[in-house]
Amino acid sequence: DAGVIQSPRHEVTEMGQEVTLRCKPISGHDYLFWYRQTMMRGLELLIYFNNNVPIDDSGMPEDRFSAKMPNASFSTLKIQPSEPRDSAVYFCASRYSGDNEQFFGPGTRLTVL
Amino acid sequence: AQSVTQLDSQVPVFEEAPVELRCNYSSSVSVYLFWYVQYPNQGLQLLLKYLSGSTLVKGINGFEAEFNKSQTSFHLRKPSVHISDTAEYFCAVSVNNAGGTSYGKLTFGQGTILTVHP
Repeated sequence: DAGVIQSPRHEVTEMGQEVTLRCKPISGHDYLFWYRQTMMRGLELLIYFNNNVPIDDSGMPEDRFSAKMPNASFSTLKIQPSEPRDSAVYFCASRYSGDNEQFFGPGTRLTVL
Repeated sequence: AQSVTQLDSQVPVFEEAPVELRCNYSSSVSVYLFWYVQYPNQGLQLLLKYLSGSTLVKGINGFEAEFNKSQTSFHLRKPSVHISDTAEYFCAVSVNNAGGTSYGKLTFGQGTILTVHP
C-alpha cells in the first residue's frame, strides 16, 4: 500500500488567499484525522471523520477552516481566507476501526506570507 | 479529558548510551498509550503501543516502554542509542471506552527531541 497520501507537500501563499490541502487515506481505513503541527502548540487534532462523517471538529480554530470528506478515499482541508498564523505543517492520518494505530501522511508544509 | 506531559523537551545523549524519554498522562478512564517517532521533514511513525496485557511493551528499532498505572507513566527506553535515533518522539493517549474499543482520538504530548552525538 502507498500509505496516506497528501498533496501538495509544500504550499506558499499570500495572506487572504484560499488554500486547499488534500488527503487520500489508506484503502479500507474508516477513520480520517487532520492535525496541525506548530512549534508553539505542538500537534493539535483539528477534526476527524468516521465513515466520511465528521465526528469531532472542536479543534478547528475558526470559521476560516473547513474540512470535507466526500468519499472514503478523499478528504480536503480548506482555509479561506488564509492568514500568516496559519503557517504550519498539516498532517492527515487514517485508521481502521479494528485496529488502534493511526498511519500518518508526510504532511503539507504551509507558509502564508 | 485526558492530557499527556512529556517531561523533557530535549534529551542529548552520546552514541551507545542508554536513554529514557519520560511521559506521564492523566485520564479519568482507561486509556491506550502510544509512542510515535518523527524524523526531520517526515510524518509520524508508530514505535510501539500499549493496549492491555504485559506492561512492558517492545517496539521497533530496539525501543521499549513500560506502562505504570499507579504512576500514570509510560516511559520510553533504549539500552544503546544510535546516531540514526536522532528524531522527535511523541507520547500519545487514546481513550478506551467501557466496551474496550478506542474512540480513536489521540492526544499528543509536546514532544521530546532526542539528539544522539557521536
